[in-house]
Amino acid sequence: DVKVTQSSRYLVKRTGEKVFLECVQDMDHENMFWYRQDPGLGLRLIYFSYDVKMKEKGDIPEGYSVSREKKERFSLILESASTNQTSMYLCASSPRQGAFQPQHFGDGTRLSIL
Amino acid sequence: RKEVEQDPGPFNVPEGATVAFNCTYSNSASQSFFWYRQDCRKEPKLLMSVYSSGNEDGRFTAQLNRASQYISLLIRDSKLSDSATYLCVVTRRQAGTALIFGKGTTLSVSS
Repeated sequence: DVKVTQSSRYLVKRTGEKVFLECVQDMDHENMFWYRQDPGLGLRLIYFSYDVKMKEKGDIPEGYSVSREKKERFSLILESASTNQTSMYLCASSPRQGAFQPQHFGDGTRLSIL
Repeated sequence: RKEVEQDPGPFNVPEGATVAFNCTYSNSASQSFFWYRQDCRKEPKLLMSVYSSGNEDGRFTAQLNRASQYISLLIRDSKLSDSATYLCVVTRRQAGTALIFGKGTTLSVSS
């Protein structure tokens, strides 16, 4: 089974802090993704990566950056946390692109910015 | 038009009922389609892929109509454990893997 592990289930940080969310997958997947999920808005793609050191902006990249130094690890960085970044953050991975390649999700991190 | 649209529900049905969810998508270049299931405060999990010819997995049947850009999920003989939010998911680019999620349809099955 694919295992996608997010470093924290719950996290509380203060406005202005730099926040790191870590994600590790154990299936040698090339693609990794970061989403946030908010009530009434569904899942929205923040950033994704097709390979080590590669990254592409999703729909809502503002206020975020990412790092992919190793294939198995994809980090999401909130450069200066703000209260509107309070959300559920979900990491996902999938094999290299091809037809019918679903994504496998981690358990999620509930981040609260005070 | 939104990229993926679903009726949010909630759908409240008794055990044993048959229920159908619909989904429309706007990008005709989308190539892959999925239904995910998400339980309350949990991560989304793949329920089934949707193939052009339609496909069935036990009590679940998925259909795709490319001409109408329409996807459906049919659940027969509903169980209490089917209560969840069902997410319609399509690929954004023809050969890419970026997925677009619908906001989900909530199903509540009662005894």
